Amino acid sequence: DTAVSQTPKYLVTQMGNDKSIKCEQNLGHDTMYWYKQDSKKFLKIMFSYNNKELIINETVPNRFSPKSPDKAHLNLHINSLELGDSAVYFCASRPIQGGAGELFFGEGSRLTVL
Amino acid sequence: SQQGEEDPQALSIQEGENATMNCSYKTSINNLQWYRQNSGRGLVHLILIRSNEREKHSGRLRVTLDTSKKSSSLLITASRAADTASYFCATDSGTASKLTFGTGTRLQVTL
Repeated sequence: DTAVSQTPKYLVTQMGNDKSIKCEQNLGHDTMYWYKQDSKKFLKIMFSYNNKELIINETVPNRFSPKSPDKAHLNLHINSLELGDSAVYFCASRPIQGGAGELFFGEGSRLTVL
Repeated sequence: SQQGEEDPQALSIQEGENATMNCSYKTSINNLQWYRQNSGRGLVHLILIRSNEREKHSGRLRVTLDTSKKSSSLLITASRAADTASYFCATDSGTASKLTFGTGTRLQVTL
């Protein structure tokens, strides 16, 4: 039943490791996003895909690589993890690119880098 | 930098009182949205107001938008303990579906 689901919910790892977070939406939406929420609750957009095509790539280190195998999935792979990558990562979807609709968020994936 | 700045950063009220949160933004927008985030959860959409609208209601929520001042406010009437959460405004400037979030207001409603 979950509209936007992310896995894993919690991730604890060492500096230098590589990790992935997966996201799936069953809403039939065309556009998906990754947002990062830091310890001060600031939400910053990282990437957006529309129907598997990258449309937004904010100034994110190239250690972060999104992949969208189909329009229902948007995964985030992070190489060489750093302490500053610790945050909650949210996946979201929206019906149509450029549409005035709301975002539907997943429950977040809390990444802790030690 | 964040598009929206919200104030207050934190607000503590008693159940039954009204809560008002304000959001200011910097550039022109197509619409402005408000979201709620309960602790440890994802954001949930509350209400959307378009740039040509000045006021909108949804249940106990009232949103106003003043595009000349680039500001919006969210009023929650007759607050309940269950309203305890962080509230974020988000602006849609129509650029590649980008929704930019404000800094958030933490609302605490006590019994």
